[in-house]
Amino acid sequence: GDSVTQTEGLVTLTEGLPVMLNCTYQTIYSNPFLFWYVQHLNESPRLLLKSFTDNKRTEHQGFHATLHKSSSSFHLQKSSAQLSDSALYYCALSDPTNTGKLTFGDGTVLTVKP
Amino acid sequence: EAAVTQSPRSKVAVTGGKVTLSCHQTNNHDYMYWYRQDTGHGLRLIHYSYVADSTEKGDIPDGYKASRPSQENFSLILELASLSQTAVYFCASSYRGDSGNTLYFGEGSRLIVV
Repeated sequence: GDSVTQTEGLVTLTEGLPVMLNCTYQTIYSNPFLFWYVQHLNESPRLLLKSFTDNKRTEHQGFHATLHKSSSSFHLQKSSAQLSDSALYYCALSDPTNTGKLTFGDGTVLTVKP
Repeated sequence: EAAVTQSPRSKVAVTGGKVTLSCHQTNNHDYMYWYRQDTGHGLRLIHYSYVADSTEKGDIPDGYKASRPSQENFSLILELASLSQTAVYFCASSYRGDSGNTLYFGEGSRLIVV
């Protein structure tokens, strides 16, 4: 079945430094949708960005990610971390058979310190 | 106002007891989902539904039942609650099962089984 791997369980950064959260995936489908969801403390997950197009950069709220099918990767990046970026980040893969089901990675907790 | 609402938000249940978690959405979405969140395991799909009066098994359905009596309502039922079912449960909805559609999550229901 589908799987999503987020190698870092916890990332701690100083404010102003760049952010990179890793995400790789496995799927039998050639046209997956990839997503990043963000969950702030005591809140529910919400969509941060998503992509379907190979090698195209997708941006939202200062974050960006590029889907690379050749390496099955969809890493999340930001040039300068802010304190408000502290949250739990999930990478997810969509089942393209129109069930709408998402397979989530285990998540990465990002903590940004002053 | 919240478009996906869950009740109860928090519950303590006794081992072997029955628990029902309810979800109501006003998004007019076709698809609804129940996910379970555990630290280190991300979000895992329990049951989902395409349409009223029909439910499908997700990735971890054992020990859970689901009911979709109307388009707006989707319940998760634990007939015999066990300690291992202590977790946070999220309901979500999406417009259709199209691959790129966004999931909208409820606030979560924290269940503690003692």
